Amino acid sequence: DSGVTQTPKHLITATGQRVTLRCSPRSGDLSVYWYQQSLDQGLQFLIQYYNGEERAKGNILERFSAQQFPDLHSELNLSSLELGDSALYFCASSGGWDHIYNEQFFGPGTRLTVL
Amino acid sequence: AQSVTQLDSHVSVSEGTPVLLRCNYSSSYSPSLFWYVQHPNKGLQLLLKYTSAATLVKGINGFEAEFKKSETSFHLTKPSAHMSDAAEYFCVVSAVGGNTPLVFGKGTRLSVIA
Repeated sequence: DSGVTQTPKHLITATGQRVTLRCSPRSGDLSVYWYQQSLDQGLQFLIQYYNGEERAKGNILERFSAQQFPDLHSELNLSSLELGDSALYFCASSGGWDHIYNEQFFGPGTRLTVL
Repeated sequence: AQSVTQLDSHVSVSEGTPVLLRCNYSSSYSPSLFWYVQHPNKGLQLLLKYTSAATLVKGINGFEAEFKKSETSFHLTKPSAHMSDAAEYFCVVSAVGGNTPLVFGKGTRLSVIA
């Protein structure tokens, strides 16, 4: 168990809808990262928050947004969903005592299916 | 910019034989390098990490990797494959210094034949 939790585990929705994915980082970790894993694109970095502030952006669509709350949990919001958004979405955290080596701890993922 | 290239998309070995998963990296400065494993329908688990302390890195479940700067390689090895090793393996690079995104290779699927 990595100590990172994600909810929900599975999400099935329709095109055009909006969903929210939630992540709680490991105790003591300040950074939260969101990654998308799909068959055609592999594992891609989407966005990073550090202690409530956006720190880095990767290949994140404008329809997607995220935030990190004062208790350090994070939410990834996906709107106007398309079939191609179907993927496994991982959250990872780092920034604890071992942060200098950037080891990231991954949650179990949320599998999103858009029908 | 950093990148990793996993040279094989699929490797198949017999149980009890050695495993070699190849990875080359590109980085404009000293990187941190990792191998993560993903079992079917599971999350990502860290196997091992290179942090410049030693070039030969030992990980969990008998896996090792050797950092070779001259060859820009970080290949993953295991002396004897077990059926439970069948999974997807990812070579990953990031900048040293912490709190930076990871860059993943495309993955190598390891099959272990009984």
